[in-house]
Formats: sequence, C-alpha cells, structure tokens
Amino acid sequence: AQSVTQLGSHVSVSEGALVLLRCNYSSSVPPYLFWYVQYPNQGLQLLLKYTTGATLVKGINGFEAEFKKSETSFHLTKPSAHMSDAAEYFCAVRANTGGFKTIFGAGTRLFVKA
Amino acid sequence: NAGVTQTPKFRILKIGQSMTLQCTQDMNHNYMYWYRQDPGMGLKLIYYSVGAGITDKGEVPNGYNVSRSTTEDFPLRLELAAPSQTSVYFCASSRQGAYEQYFGPGTRLTVT
Repeated sequence: AQSVTQLGSHVSVSEGALVLLRCNYSSSVPPYLFWYVQYPNQGLQLLLKYTTGATLVKGINGFEAEFKKSETSFHLTKPSAHMSDAAEYFCAVRANTGGFKTIFGAGTRLFVKA
Repeated sequence: NAGVTQTPKFRILKIGQSMTLQCTQDMNHNYMYWYRQDPGMGLKLIYYSVGAGITDKGEVPNGYNVSRSTTEDFPLRLELAAPSQTSVYFCASSRQGAYEQYFGPGTRLTVT
C-alpha cells in the first residue's frame, strides 16, 4: 500500500527566496513519484515525475525534486520564487508493480510575498 | 488538442436531484478517472475505467455511477444528490503504460 504526507498545508516565501515543499511517502514496493501544481480554478498539471534512473529530476518552471529512498522523501525545490509560483502543490505516489492507482497528498498551498 | 474537457463548470443542485457531469478527452487515452477534491483532503478516486466498457470503483464510489461507451467519454452520474457531495470534481486520463495523468478544469458542485 502507498501513502503520502505533505508537511505543511501552507508555505509562505518572499519573492526571490528558496522554495522548499516537503513530501514523504510510504510504499511497500518501489514507487513512482510525482509533483502536480494546481493554479486557482484550474485542474492539476504535472510539474515533474520520478520513475527510475537519476534521482534528481527537473521539471517545468525551474522546479526540481530529489528522490531519497533512505529518507522516503521527494521534496520539491526552486532556488528563487516568483509571484507566478503561487499555487497549490500536490505530491503523489504510485506503485511501480503495475496497476494505475495514484495516491495524492493533501496539498501545500504556496504563497509568494512581494 | 483540447485535452480533457469537463462540463458544466459550476452547478447548484437541490437535495435529491440528479445530474450528469460530462468528461471528454481527445488524446486517445485508455485510462480515465473521476476524483473529488475537498479542502485539505487531496484528491479521492471515485471511479475509474481502463477502456471502453470497463469501469470499476475507487475509494469513494457511494452515490455515484459511471459508464464508458467510447474511448473519449466518461460521464459521472449523481443520483439523489446529498450535501456530502458538495465538492470539486475532476476528470483525468492517462495513456496505457504511461504514468502521469492529465486533468480537466473541474466542475464545482454545490448541493443545498
């Protein structure tokens, strides 16, 4: 079984500051991991994903995440926040043993202050 | 490509009424999903389909029904609406063998 915990329902950063959104997962088998972003009144869109291979994955809009198996984490970072990054971010996990069921975290809303 | 489209965008229902939420995708994806999103709860899977004519229950199927007569369409039916069904509903699709899902813009439903 899989589960996802996102630490912090709200994160506030200043424009230009580092963005760090935390995600820890639980999975009985090797996972596939995702970050999705949701802008106000829109659906979710894929930011980045980890399936196999390189543990540091780069996504759109300058975001990246690192898969750390020993820490069961997949934290999302961006070196310098922009006002347009204000949105809700969801971490998600899926088993890599087949099937399709994806478990989503509760979400972290990112606020960016001018 | 329009991607995944959903109608309507907003709807207010009275308790006991019924309605169908429409979902269409033009990416020829085999897999389609319906989720509901409640504040602070993430997304919960209601129903899913792995191809035309094949559907199955997700985590929270009670009070809902689906059908999948074509690859493109995956409507969600609410029978006897209840206040607990007030939520934002998202339809999504994915390619067979691929991993990420593509989401529609959502339908905001209020039951009063």
